[in-house]
Amino acid sequence: AAGVIQSPRHLIKEKRETATLKCYPIPRHDTVYWYQQGPGQDPQFLISFYEKMQSDKGSIPDRFSAQQFSDYHSELNMSSLELGDSALYFCASSFRGGQIEAFFGQGTRLTVV
Amino acid sequence: GESVGLHLPTLSVQEGDNSIINCAYSNSASDYFIWYKQESGKGPQFIIDIRSNMDKRQGQRVTVLLNKTVKHLSLQIAATQPGDSAVYFCAEKAGGFKTIFGAGTRLFVKA
Repeated sequence: AAGVIQSPRHLIKEKRETATLKCYPIPRHDTVYWYQQGPGQDPQFLISFYEKMQSDKGSIPDRFSAQQFSDYHSELNMSSLELGDSALYFCASSFRGGQIEAFFGQGTRLTVV
Repeated sequence: GESVGLHLPTLSVQEGDNSIINCAYSNSASDYFIWYKQESGKGPQFIIDIRSNMDKRQGQRVTVLLNKTVKHLSLQIAATQPGDSAVYFCAEKAGGFKTIFGAGTRLFVKA
């Protein structure tokens, strides 16, 4: 079965650079979530989109922005990268909004040097 | 603020024994709870969920118990296998889309 696809899997950036992470949800899923997971930490909710509209917002820095496109894929844009942004970034998708289980992608490991 | 916590950071069990992983949550408005399993280098994998109108739900080898009176959630794994070794997170939702994860319990299964 098709799963959530994230790209790239690994990304190395320098401080103050920008990065774009992409997420392709499971077909027919209309909701996308972004999470950040630091080493040894639990996933922290960043932001979610339902039917291409922002549906909820968590601890997403102002330097980050995201959107969901007409084909339901989503991109997380990160600017002025800091060392502390190094983490695993997970995307998850679900069907019919937030009250259904979400399926996670394999994540993008971002390293800021 | 909202928080979902786990009582133990690590749990070690013998292969074949039953495992019980506990979770305490603080938001009484939470109405949907999920257990995820995360293996090293992978994304969280859905195990089982339960809604607040239930107190028990069973899956294959797993059972989730919800006690809303004391805001406690547990995951029971029967006949634990080496493949069950992972970090287990409980997560909650209080309506909306935001999922709050707990700190995770690392399960070690000894052969």
